[in-house]
Order: sequence, then structure tokens, then C-alpha cells
Amino acid sequence: EAQVTQNPRYLITVTGKKLTVTCSQNMNHEYMSWYRQDPGLGLRQIYYSMNVEVTDKGDVPEGYKVSRKEKRNFPLILESPSPNQTSLYFCASSLTGTWDSPLHFGNGTRLTVT
Amino acid sequence: AQTVTQSQPEMSVQEAETVTLSCTYDTSESNYYLFWYKQPPSRQMILVIRQEAYKQQNATENRFSVNFQKAAKSFSLKISDSQLGDTAMYFCALKNGGSNYKLTFGKGTLLTVNP
Repeated sequence: EAQVTQNPRYLITVTGKKLTVTCSQNMNHEYMSWYRQDPGLGLRQIYYSMNVEVTDKGDVPEGYKVSRKEKRNFPLILESPSPNQTSLYFCASSLTGTWDSPLHFGNGTRLTVT
Repeated sequence: AQTVTQSQPEMSVQEAETVTLSCTYDTSESNYYLFWYKQPPSRQMILVIRQEAYKQQNATENRFSVNFQKAAKSFSLKISDSQLGDTAMYFCALKNGGSNYKLTFGKGTLLTVNP
């Protein structure tokens, strides 16, 4: 089944403890991206990747890192999480990233930082 | 910068009736796509319908259709014969062909379908 898989689905952590949220897609998509969803703000892009080893900042990149060493994987890294990073996170991918290529979303990761 | 505005934070409709969700947007690009995504309580993001800006014909997907008014920069979603399973948060989103092919989302409209 074609899908975008995120893990974990729920994560509770403490301030300053490094964590990684994994994202993997099995559709051979070139473009991958991370969004965070907050009440009243909709979804906002954190980082994106046009292809392997090519990543760039979105609208809200502060406090996050990403890497794209393989085409299928695009992990989101929080080196020192803070409570303002408590949010619902979505990984998404599309075949080419062009404007006419639909975005496929993972099922989300609910992160709570205490 | 592009923006997407959904002016209705919440709406409700009776089962089997029709409801329209509003969305306005702003972009300086001439080529762009508009989308409606549905997010049910399971929180999965599901693509409902999409519209290419250069196509005048409004997109339709079964009970879902859009009213795309390019000059007015308006992109409303009409749901006909509403079903209980349509209860969800609905997001309008804009994507253009800039250097970052990101989706710009509105803040969402929570739709409740009542039995």
C-alpha cells in the first residue's frame, strides 16, 4: 500500500531531551516536507526537501533540523525541545513537488513537551 | 507572500442538506493550485478536491464541488447530501510554482453534520 509512515504517533518528552520523529514513504517521491499544526493557525511548513541531500527552510524552521540521506526517509530532529514545540506534526510527500503534484500526508505525530 | 483565509471557524449542517464552506486567497502567481483537505477526528489529512487556476470549469468529486471565482480570489467548497462522516475540520490550501512547492493553509473550518 502506498503511504507515508510517521513514528511515533504520540510522544511525550521533557524540555531539552533530543528526539527524532521518523518519516518514510514508499512511493519513490522526490519531494518531502514537514508541517506543524496548531489550533487557530492551520498547518505551517517547517522544512522541505526537493530530493536527496537537498533541504531548505519553510516558514517556521527554528528549533528543528532535518536530513535527507535516502530518498524514502526524511526525519525531523528536535535537538533541544521546548514547550512551544508542543504540536501536531505531519510529514508529507509528493512525486515531483511541482505545483500540480498532490501532497500525500502521514497520519501525524502528537508531540507534547513538558 | 500568499495567504489563505477561512472566515468561518465553525459550521453545522443537518444530515442530507447542503453546506458551503468559504475560502479566499491572495497570491501574485498566475499559475497555482487550490485544494480542500478534510481532517476527521482520526486527524488524517485527506485530499477532497483540487482546482487548477487556469481552468475555468469548477472541479467536482461526487458530492463535493467548488465554486472557483478567480477574479474575486474565492474558492468555496459545497458539500451536497451531507453525511455524518463528513464531520471534520476542512482546510483550504494554496500551492504555487515558486521555489518551494509548499501548501499555504487556511486556519480551518470545523464542520459538524447533525443527525
